[in-house]
Amino acid sequence: DAKTTQPPSMDCAEGRAANLPCNHSTISGNEYVYWYRQIHSQGPQYIIHGLKNNETNEMASLIITEDRKSSTLILPHATLRDTAVYYCIVRADHGSSNTGKLIFGQGTTLQVKP
Amino acid sequence: NAGVTQTPKFQVLKTGQSMTLQCAQDMNHEYMSWYRQDPGMGLRLIHYSVGAGITDQGEVPNGYNVSRSTTEDFPLRLLSAAPSQTSVYFCASMGAGLGQNYEQYFGPGTRLTVT
Repeated sequence: DAKTTQPPSMDCAEGRAANLPCNHSTISGNEYVYWYRQIHSQGPQYIIHGLKNNETNEMASLIITEDRKSSTLILPHATLRDTAVYYCIVRADHGSSNTGKLIFGQGTTLQVKP
Repeated sequence: NAGVTQTPKFQVLKTGQSMTLQCAQDMNHEYMSWYRQDPGMGLRLIHYSVGAGITDQGEVPNGYNVSRSTTEDFPLRLLSAAPSQTSVYFCASMGAGLGQNYEQYFGPGTRLTVT
């Protein structure tokens, strides 16, 4: 699986958009980009994933560059409850034997401030 | 659905003791995984399974055994505990195939201390 690079920490003002970058320059054509977050000591929580196109759900938006070498997770209106460690992960195609494996990096600690 | 459940929540072992961390899911998911998380670190994959009877090693498998005799259960065995295995252990499951988004669901974790 491709390696990802994320900034170790970021701050964001409450109510503003939080933009979390991720670099995955060695991503393969069949690898998806996934984002998870971990609040305090809880188990990680799925946020969103994508392959090529931008994606949006009730939690966030995912913007993937055309060359797929980087992506940005956007939390449109950050709240204090969004303070967490955010992990960007790339992994093999759905249905492959590697699909169940998630390789976590260090993630980005997002601190949302009042 | 209860989702992914893990027992126990907390455990203290002495060096050399053995124990089994339990993990169960009621979502009929094919994929199940075990991760460990050391303080201030990201999660590292220990073992995973793509279905009943099939397991494979992850990044840090040494000192751990797994088996998958049913779809629902995926226990993790520590054969001879060492202080280096002090960590928080997370189990996860994931559905695959038609109608699934390949989202992994994580349990609440087991906090293990080996003295």
